[in-house]
Amino acid sequence: KQEVTQIPAALSVPEGENLVLNCSFTDSAIYNLQWFRQDPGKGLTSLLLIQSSQREQTSGRLNASLDKSSGRSTLYIAASQPGDSATYLCAASSGNTGKLIFGQGTTLQVKP
Amino acid sequence: KAGVTQTPRYLIKTRGQQVTLSCSPISGHRSVSWYQQTPGQGLQFLFEYFSETQRNKGNFPGRFSGRQFSNSRSEMNVSTLELGDSALYLCASSSGGARSVWGYTFGSGTRLTVV
Repeated sequence: KQEVTQIPAALSVPEGENLVLNCSFTDSAIYNLQWFRQDPGKGLTSLLLIQSSQREQTSGRLNASLDKSSGRSTLYIAASQPGDSATYLCAASSGNTGKLIFGQGTTLQVKP
Repeated sequence: KAGVTQTPRYLIKTRGQQVTLSCSPISGHRSVSWYQQTPGQGLQFLFEYFSETQRNKGNFPGRFSGRQFSNSRSEMNVSTLELGDSALYLCASSSGGARSVWGYTFGSGTRLTVV
C-alpha cells in the first residue's frame, strides 16, 4: 500500500531564501510524481509532474527531482517570495487508475 | 482552454439530506476523479470514472456515489448527510488517468458544510 509523507509540515523562511521541500513514498512502482500548490480554501494548482523515467523537471524558480530507488522527491524553490506562501502537496500515482496518493502537505510561509 | 469547472462552489445542507455535486472536465479529457479534503484526513480518493465507467473506488461508505455522462461530465452524490461529510470536494480531470504524461488538473472545489 502506497504511503506518502511530507516533511516538514510547516516552514517559515525570510524572503529571498532558497528552500527544499521533501516528499517520500513507500512503493517505488509509481507512474508519476506530481507537485501541487494549494492556497487557503482553494483548489490544487499543478506545479510540476515527473514521470517515472525522469529524474527532474524545472519550471521557472521551481525544480523537482525524483529518486525512485530511495522513494524520494524534492521540490526546490529558488529565491522565495511572499507570493510563494501556500501549502505544497506531492502526490504519487500508481496502478492504471485515477488514484493519487497525497502527502499531508508542507505549509510554507515566506516573510517579507 | 477552459479548466475544470465544479459547481456549486459552496453548499450548506442539513444532516440527513442528500447533495449532488457537478464537475465538468477539460474538453477531451475522459478521466474524472473525485477527492475529499478535510483538515484531519487530508486528501482522500473517492472514485474515478473513465468513459462512463467507474474504474476505481476509495474506502468510503455506499452513501457516496457518482456517475459520468457521455460528455465526460461527472456528478457525485452523497445521501443521508452526516456532520463528518463537511469538507472540500475536489474533482480532477486527466486525458488518460494515472499514466498520463500531463497528470491531473484540479477544479476549485465545492465546499460542503453539513449543519
